[in-house]
Amino acid sequence: EVQLVESGGDLVQPGGSLRLSCVTSGFRFSGHWMAWVRQAPGKGLEWVANIKRDGQQKEYVDSVKGRFTITRDNTENLLYLQMSSLRAEDTAVYYCARDPGEGVWGAFDIWGQGTTVTVSS
Amino acid sequence: DVVMTQSPLSLPVTLGQPASISCWSGQSLLYKDKNTYLNWFHQRPGQSPRRLIYKVSNRDSGVPDRFSGSGSGTDFTLKISKVEAEDVGIYYCMQATYWPYTFGQGTKLEI
Repeated sequence: EVQLVESGGDLVQPGGSLRLSCVTSGFRFSGHWMAWVRQAPGKGLEWVANIKRDGQQKEYVDSVKGRFTITRDNTENLLYLQMSSLRAEDTAVYYCARDPGEGVWGAFDIWGQGTTVTVSS
Repeated sequence: DVVMTQSPLSLPVTLGQPASISCWSGQSLLYKDKNTYLNWFHQRPGQSPRRLIYKVSNRDSGVPDRFSGSGSGTDFTLKISKVEAEDVGIYYCMQATYWPYTFGQGTKLEI
C-alpha cells in the first residue's frame, strides 16, 4: 500500500526550530519529486516546498525561503522539512505529498494525514 | 506569483443537481511543453486533500465520472453533473506551471 506518514509536529515558541519527517512506503521513493503543503487553521491550502528525485533541485514559497529546508534520504525513503525562525503564521497542519513531476507537475497523487505545528509563546 | 481565483467561494447545492466551480489564473497556464498544469483537489471535512483532476481534464482513477474538468489558458471549470452527499467539502484548483505553485482560495460545497 502506498503510504505517507508525517511526524514531528509540536508546539514551539516563536523563533524556534522544528524538523518534520515523512515516512514513505509502497512506492519507489527515489523516483518521485516530493512536496510539503500546509494549511493554517480554518484556511486554505498553501504549497510550501518541492524537492527533486535526487535532492538536487529545491523550490520554496517566498514566505519560507531562508528559514525552511526540504531534504530527503533516498536510502531510508524519508522526506524532511527543517523549519527555523518559526513565526506565528507558520502555524498549520503540514502535509507531505508525492508530486508526479515532469509532465504531470503538481498533481499531488498521494497525501499524508498531516502533522500539526503550532507556533506560540 | 500566479494568483488563482475561484468562484464562488461558497456553493450551496441540492442533491442530484449540477454544480460548477470556476478558477482563473493571473496568467496563462500553458507551459512550453504544451501541457497546462492546472489540477483540482477535494478536501472533505477532517480529511487530507485528494486529487480529483490533473492537467485540466484528466480524472483520477476512482473519481466518479460525474466530475469533469475543462478550460484553457487562464479560465478553468470543475463541473459535477449530479451532486451526491459525499461531494461535500472544499474544492481547490492549483497551478503548477510556474514556481511557486499556487492554490485558489477554495470553494466550499454544501448540501
